[in-house]
Amino acid sequence: EVQLVESGGGLVQPGGSLRLSCAASGFAFSSYWMSWVRQVPGRGLEWVANMRPDGGEIYYVDSVKGRFTISRDNAKNSLYLQMNSLRVDDTAVYYCARDKIVGPSNFDYWGQGTLVTVSS
Amino acid sequence: DIQMTQSPSSLSASVGDRVTITCRASQSISNYLNWYQQKPGGAPRLLIYAASTLQSGVPSRFSGSGSGTYFALTISSLRPEDFATYYCQESYKAPLTFGGGTRVEI
Repeated sequence: EVQLVESGGGLVQPGGSLRLSCAASGFAFSSYWMSWVRQVPGRGLEWVANMRPDGGEIYYVDSVKGRFTISRDNAKNSLYLQMNSLRVDDTAVYYCARDKIVGPSNFDYWGQGTLVTVSS
Repeated sequence: DIQMTQSPSSLSASVGDRVTITCRASQSISNYLNWYQQKPGGAPRLLIYAASTLQSGVPSRFSGSGSGTYFALTISSLRPEDFATYYCQESYKAPLTFGGGTRVEI
C-alpha cells in the first residue's frame, strides 16, 4: 500500500524557518518525481515544487523561489521541504504528493498534510 | 505562467443529476490536464489524467474531455458521495497551476 506521511509543521514567527518531511512507503520511491502542494485552509490548491528522482531537475512556484528548498533522500525514502524567510501568506496545509515517473505530472497519491502557521 | 479558470465556482445539484464542470487554460496545453476531487478535511484524489483517462478505481460515471484550452469534467449521474470540490490542474509546464475549484453541493 502506498503511504505518504508528512511531519514537521507547526507555528513559526514571520521570518522563521521550518523543515517539512515526507516519509514514503509501498512503492519504488527512487523512481518517482515528487511534489509539494499547499492549501490555505478554506482555499484552493497551489503547487509549490517538484523534484526529479536523481535531483537533476527541480522546479518551484515563483512565490517560494529563493526561500524554499526541496530535497530528497532516496536511501531513506524521504522527501523534504526546507522553508526559510517564512511569511504570513505561507500559512497553509502542506501536502506531499507522488508525481510522475516519466511524462506529464499528475499526483496519484497524497499524504494527509501538515499544517504550517506563520504568525507573530 | 499558465492560468486555469474553472467555472462555475460552485453549483447546486441533486442526486442523479448530470453535472459538467469546465476549465479553460490561458494558452494551449494539448491534453496535459488532470482533475481532482477533494472532500472536506481530506487530501485531493486524482480522478482523471491526460484530459480523459480515468484513474484506476475511479467510477465510470466520471469522464473528462477536451484539448487545447477547453476542458470539461462530467459526472453522468451524481451520487451522494460526489458532493465535494473539484479542481483542474495543468501539467504542461511548471509552475503546475490548479484551477480555483468548483464546489458541488446539494
